[in-house]
Amino acid sequence: DADVTQTPRNRITKTGKRIMLECSQTKGHDRMYWYRQDPGLGLRLIYYSFDVKDINKGEISDGYSVSRQAQAKFSLSLESAIPNQTALYFCATSDPAFSGGGTDTQYFGPGTRLTVL
Amino acid sequence: AQSVAQPEDQVNVAEGNPLTVKCTYSVSGNPYLFWYVQYPNRGLQFLLKYITGDNLVKGSYGFEAEFNKSQTSFHLKKPSALVSDSALYFCAVRDRGSTLGRLYFGRGTQLTVWP
Repeated sequence: DADVTQTPRNRITKTGKRIMLECSQTKGHDRMYWYRQDPGLGLRLIYYSFDVKDINKGEISDGYSVSRQAQAKFSLSLESAIPNQTALYFCATSDPAFSGGGTDTQYFGPGTRLTVL
Repeated sequence: AQSVAQPEDQVNVAEGNPLTVKCTYSVSGNPYLFWYVQYPNRGLQFLLKYITGDNLVKGSYGFEAEFNKSQTSFHLKKPSALVSDSALYFCAVRDRGSTLGRLYFGRGTQLTVWP
């Protein structure tokens, strides 16, 4: 979905390096999310943000941090990357005011494939 | 606790045949249910959702899903599969009583449609 963009699309890094993944959206949504996808495990929530001043941990936040620079921007950082953080990372946005029935449907970016050597 | 189960890691079907991708869920309240599709090297795309009302929900690309409250299921269906439907499909649930919009995803089912 071109309304949600992620950079970089691919990144290879080494253990111990600090990495930042960026997400931008033009959908005007307040809520933003970071997930990681691992084969056979589906998507797991890392962090979510309801607005610029509201950031919350998801189920697997250890080793990650986030920054919500503006309504449209939500960055994920790996302070010291380790090999088991090799995964596909997705950003998503939602807003119940925009979703039929207030379902808060989420819309995903194209993903960032991160490899930690 | 919320959870989603997709009992089949893979589903294989011949083009033109009907397809079903299974999903069962567990939520503490009433659910919103979703199906997403992921094509290779792409993000997840929203297919359809169940809010309330008619148990048969129609979505994009000719897909539909049937909500069955007694069986806590939300199976994805299509009457006639296409090779281009080959992708990874995710079922997701959200407790409608929750103010948090987080989704709980299944592990995904790889659908392969052969010519």
